[in-house]
Amino acid sequence: EAGVAQSPRYKIIEKRQSVAFWCNPISGHATLYWYQQILGQGPKLLIQFQNNGVVDDSQLPKDRFSAERLKGVDSTLKIQPAKLEDSAVYLCASSSGTGYPDSPLHFGNGTRLTVT
Amino acid sequence: SQKIEQNSEALNIQEGKTATLTCNYTNYSPAYLQWYRQDPGRGPVFLLLIRENEKEKRKERLKVTFDTTLKQSLFHITASQPADSATYLCALERRGGYNKLIFGAGTRLAVHP
Repeated sequence: EAGVAQSPRYKIIEKRQSVAFWCNPISGHATLYWYQQILGQGPKLLIQFQNNGVVDDSQLPKDRFSAERLKGVDSTLKIQPAKLEDSAVYLCASSSGTGYPDSPLHFGNGTRLTVT
Repeated sequence: SQKIEQNSEALNIQEGKTATLTCNYTNYSPAYLQWYRQDPGRGPVFLLLIRENEKEKRKERLKVTFDTTLKQSLFHITASQPADSATYLCALERRGGYNKLIFGAGTRLAVHP
């Protein structure tokens, strides 16, 4: 099966600019996650979707971050305006979700964001 | 608050030996725990899952234990190989948390020939 696709692979922007990341999960996976991974740390959950509804966005800085999952498939994560501390790798993951509460996550290779 | 701790220092071992990585947690009662491998520049890859009612799980050269009394999981790689060198992450699911996984910071393993 095709894996989780993310783009772009790398992005460099200046602070206060905006940026968007795109994710295409594994076909049929109901649950989609966005994680932020700062160098040397583990992934931190930003937002979790079940189909096209938000399950958890408690750690999403909503004053600057937004995410959507249209039609329960692809998802985009946006940062506007970016801050220096947003420099990180943004990982998208999906899992089969519904009916399988302990199903493993399948990750994409992430987008490395550098804010200067 | 909930906390997951993994050895922050890298673990260096000789090829052929058994690597043992530790994951400790506090203020937490996870229904299950997962282990992932992450290579530089790549996303984490799922390795093993163990549930709270299971003491041990094995897959080829990998073994995971889960002690809910000690609030600890141990991850073992037997007959380690240089190709096993990577960062290993443990992740806990919050009970009733809709498959919401919280990750530790990971332990970097280096296997030397």
